[in-house]
Amino acid sequence: AQSVTQLGSHVSVSEGALVLLRCNYSSSVPPYLFWYVQYPNQGLQLLLKYTSAATLVKGINGFEAEFKKSETSFHLTKPSAHMSDAAEYFCAVTASSASKIIFGSGTRLSIRP
Amino acid sequence: GAGVSQSPRYKVAKRGQDVALRCDPISGHVSLFWYQQALGQGPEFLTYFQNEAQLDKSGLPSDRFFAERPEGSVSTLKIQRTQQEDSAVYLCASSIAGVNNEQFFGPGTRLTVL
Repeated sequence: AQSVTQLGSHVSVSEGALVLLRCNYSSSVPPYLFWYVQYPNQGLQLLLKYTSAATLVKGINGFEAEFKKSETSFHLTKPSAHMSDAAEYFCAVTASSASKIIFGSGTRLSIRP
Repeated sequence: GAGVSQSPRYKVAKRGQDVALRCDPISGHVSLFWYQQALGQGPEFLTYFQNEAQLDKSGLPSDRFFAERPEGSVSTLKIQRTQQEDSAVYLCASSIAGVNNEQFFGPGTRLTVL
């Protein structure tokens, strides 16, 4: 079975500052890991996906995430926050044999001018 | 190009009414998923179709919830005898094939049960 925990329901950073959104997962088999973003009044869209090809995954809009098996983590980062990054971010996990994807409870990212 | 569409976008129902929510996936996408998203929470899996076959319905909260995809394209999520706890946003997503590929989400249907 898989599960995912997102630490911090709300993160606020200044424009230009580092963004770090935390995600820890639990999986009894090699996982597939995802970050999705939900902008206000829009549907969820995929930011990036880990499928074991490389531990550092680059996504859209300058985001990246690093898979650390020893820490069971898949934290999302962006070197410099932009106002347009304000949104809800969801970490999710599944496995090759799974028939469903498990989402975390989400982290709302706010950007201060 | 057309994405995933859902209708209606908003639905208000009186407790005890039946509702039907529609999802039009991206053309050619084999897999279709339904999720329930409560306020302030992440999407919770409800059910998964591969073509017309419902491969996993383990997330449906009760036998009042029923989903179908009879021709392997459009899907309908039906909730019978709605209860206040059914109030949520219902999301539909499709992928080209399977759980591990990118899922494309619709805008959701916000259901409010009075």
